[in-house]
Amino acid sequence: QVHLVQSGAEVKKPGASVKVSCKASGYTFTNYYIHWVRQAPGQGLEWMGIINPSGGSTSYAQKFQGRVTMTRDTSTTTVYMELSSLKSEDTAVYYCARTGDYGDYLDYWGQGTLVTVSS
Amino acid sequence: EIVLTQSPGTLSLSPGEVATLSCRASQTVDSNYLAWYQHKPGQAPRLLIYGAFNRATGIPDRFSGSGSGTDFTLTISRLEPEDSAVYSCQQYGGSPRAFGPGTKVDIK
Repeated sequence: QVHLVQSGAEVKKPGASVKVSCKASGYTFTNYYIHWVRQAPGQGLEWMGIINPSGGSTSYAQKFQGRVTMTRDTSTTTVYMELSSLKSEDTAVYYCARTGDYGDYLDYWGQGTLVTVSS
Repeated sequence: EIVLTQSPGTLSLSPGEVATLSCRASQTVDSNYLAWYQHKPGQAPRLLIYGAFNRATGIPDRFSGSGSGTDFTLTISRLEPEDSAVYSCQQYGGSPRAFGPGTKVDIK
């Protein structure tokens, strides 16, 4: 059974960085890409980027270029998303999600991690 | 960059009725790589439809997707109270894999 389990809620000050983890289980880790998506309060879903756990290659949404870094650890089947230079507008629930068997849609999601940016 | 718009913003319907949700893309979505998700407060989004019309595993046949090119539709028939949620479309044919702003469905 596929599971994506994310790290717990974080409270950060403006200008700081946050690193959210996403541990995958129940499938071959290197066979499926992982996306990161966030949802700010009262807003819709926002795609942040994607990582290929096999080789570690990444692609980020232009909005987050230079501020986001996605990495993976194949020994622990864990993917990480680090967002730097945090602003209050980065307050959101961050989700990791796995791609599907037939394309790049998102068929399994983590439970979400609330990141609050406040002074 | 493909931009998705969804209409209406909110839909208020009664149990048993049919909901018709629209998702329009600013450019043709390659190979109809269009997905629909259901999102309830405090829960992770759930995949409903992929490839414009393929139901995800475990999704009841009350949910159906249609459309191609730039215009796509999610139809929910025989509405049930638990269908109250926000429904978002997403294109995954190019980068960025943009989401639409969502349609909120209220079942009163």
